[in-house]
Amino acid sequence: AQSVSQHNHHVILSEAASLELGCNYSYGGTVNLFWYVQYPGQHLQLLLKYFSGDPLVKGIKGFEAEFIKSKFSFNLRKPSVQWSDTAEYFCAVFYGNNRLAFGKGNQVVVIP
Amino acid sequence: SAVISQKPSRDICQRGTSLTIQCQVDSQVTMMFWYRQQPGQSLTLIATANQGSEATYESGFVIDKFPISRPNLTFSTLTVSNMSPEDSSIYLCSVPGAAGELFFGEGSRLTVL
Repeated sequence: AQSVSQHNHHVILSEAASLELGCNYSYGGTVNLFWYVQYPGQHLQLLLKYFSGDPLVKGIKGFEAEFIKSKFSFNLRKPSVQWSDTAEYFCAVFYGNNRLAFGKGNQVVVIP
Repeated sequence: SAVISQKPSRDICQRGTSLTIQCQVDSQVTMMFWYRQQPGQSLTLIATANQGSEATYESGFVIDKFPISRPNLTFSTLTVSNMSPEDSSIYLCSVPGAAGELFFGEGSRLTVL
């Protein structure tokens, strides 16, 4: 089975700080990779995705992620966070038949 | 993107009872997926609901515990049967997008006493 690892489950930082969330996956073949975000009280939303091409992917709200094949990683970054970025972030890997394997999530709290 | 509505949004149930969660999509989709999000855990796929055939269950999930209906291409139900406190979780309906991503409903938060 595919596995997705996210480290540092709880992250607390101040506004304007930079954010980086790590994601590593186990699947060795061609992958489609996703980051989802869940704001408090809201449903899961797609933040960004990688299928092929430029390994640096830009998503909504200033987020970006870099696919490094040799490291089986797809880390999420934002140079300067805002209070509104407080949310839970999930990394996911597509492994066939539209099924996604999810990491355990990172709970990010941004202090004003 | 698809608009997915789930009912109920939350419920508190007694041990031993069953609850049926409904999922309505605003467009026709071939596959619908049911996920579970337990407290502090990642999302886990329960089953794939296909219209016109039995649902396909993932390892660790069985039809007797989580019966699923898929009467048409826009609707599905998931029943959590004979509930125990371990079934307390958020249950999510999702559908695939054209680019391989998944779209999710708002989830149904279930608490079993």
